[in-house]
Amino acid sequence: QKEVEQNSGPLSVPEGAIASLNCTYSDRGSQSFFWYRQYSGKSPELIMSIYSNGDKEDGRFTAQLNKASQYVSLLIRDSQPSDSATYLCAVTNSGANSKLTFGKGITLSVRP
Amino acid sequence: GAVVSQHPSWVICKSGTSVKIECRSLDFQATTMFWYRQFPKQSLMLMATSNEGSKATYEQGVEKDKFLINHASLTLSTLTVTSAHPEDSSFYICSARKGGGATETQYFGPGTRLLVL
Repeated sequence: QKEVEQNSGPLSVPEGAIASLNCTYSDRGSQSFFWYRQYSGKSPELIMSIYSNGDKEDGRFTAQLNKASQYVSLLIRDSQPSDSATYLCAVTNSGANSKLTFGKGITLSVRP
Repeated sequence: GAVVSQHPSWVICKSGTSVKIECRSLDFQATTMFWYRQFPKQSLMLMATSNEGSKATYEQGVEKDKFLINHASLTLSTLTVTSAHPEDSSFYICSARKGGGATETQYFGPGTRLLVL
């Protein structure tokens, strides 16, 4: 069974700090990796996608992928109270019938 | 960009009636869309995969005769909750797949809140 695991939360960081979110996955056939942000009462919003080993930066967000270790992470620099949300790690393999497999999510709280 | 819309955003209906929810990809074509359901403080649950021009694929435990899915064009999928009951009250969210292969990405609609009285 394909599994995606995230650190159990919640995670609380002070404003301006770096928030580090981690995720591991069990299916070595996974090829696409995503971080979604979900505010309470809203639908998930794509924050980052990463498809190859290494780092990918977009503004204050950096995704890191290590396929050998089956590990993907998200760093949020200069955390803001508006970053407070649930962050979902998701992976998919390629193919016509590929589906997202989600982790349970981790709730981040950024303290002003 | 990749924008997915849903309509309506809110719906309240009486028990026993049917409700149709639309999911549209506004700036890209999507041969595959997905329907999810989320109860309060729970994880997203995939209900079905909607393929343009063919029958939807339902996840185990999801009644296909109760949740009718039609994907008649490359930008529109609909979910009809038939004979809705209070236990069907939930947050229904669609997503649309953009691209293919190793770089495909799913973009989510804003969701539809269904309340069945």
